[in-house]
Amino acid sequence: EAQVTQNPRYLITVTGKKLTVTCSQNMNHEYMSWYRQDPGLGLRQIYYSMNVEVTDKGDVPEGYKVSRKEKRNFPLILESPSPNQTSLYFCASSLWGGPGDTQYFGPGTRLTVL
Amino acid sequence: GENVEQHPSTLSVQEGDSAVIKCTYSDSASNYFPWYKQELGKRPQLIIDIRSNVGEKKDQRIAVTLNKTAKHFSLHITETQPEDSAVYFCAASDRNTGGGNKLTFGTGTQLKVEL
Repeated sequence: EAQVTQNPRYLITVTGKKLTVTCSQNMNHEYMSWYRQDPGLGLRQIYYSMNVEVTDKGDVPEGYKVSRKEKRNFPLILESPSPNQTSLYFCASSLWGGPGDTQYFGPGTRLTVL
Repeated sequence: GENVEQHPSTLSVQEGDSAVIKCTYSDSASNYFPWYKQELGKRPQLIIDIRSNVGEKKDQRIAVTLNKTAKHFSLHITETQPEDSAVYFCAASDRNTGGGNKLTFGTGTQLKVEL
């Protein structure tokens, strides 16, 4: 089954404790992206990747890191999480990242930073 | 960069009535406008999209219209059913600075279909 998966689905952590949220897709998509969703703000792009070893900042990259060592994986790293990073995070992927290319979303990761 | 505004933030309709959600965008270069439906606790799922060379697109009970001159697009749901209750997001696609299909989302509309 074609899908985007994320782990963990729920995470409660404390300020400053490094964490990684994994994202994997089995559709051989070149484009992958991370969004955060906050009430009243919609979804905002954090980072994106056009292909292996190619990543770039979205609209709200501060406090986050990503890597794209393999085509299928695009982990989101929070080196020193803070309470304002409490949010719902979605990974998405699309075939090639061009105009009109449909993005498919993972199931989401609800992160709480205490 | 692109800015997408979405209205209303909440919408309540009676079952069988129509629902209309409107979005405006700022970047005239945007050329792709998807709509996503997000049920409670679920991921956003694409329900319909439209490209800038088309003025209207319909898929059963849902339709999207685009006015490029005015830079606005709308989602129309006819004969609403309780299962249409969800949050709906519009989005506009422009290019990331490094390339790629960057989606800028509206803030969402909570649609409630009442029996």
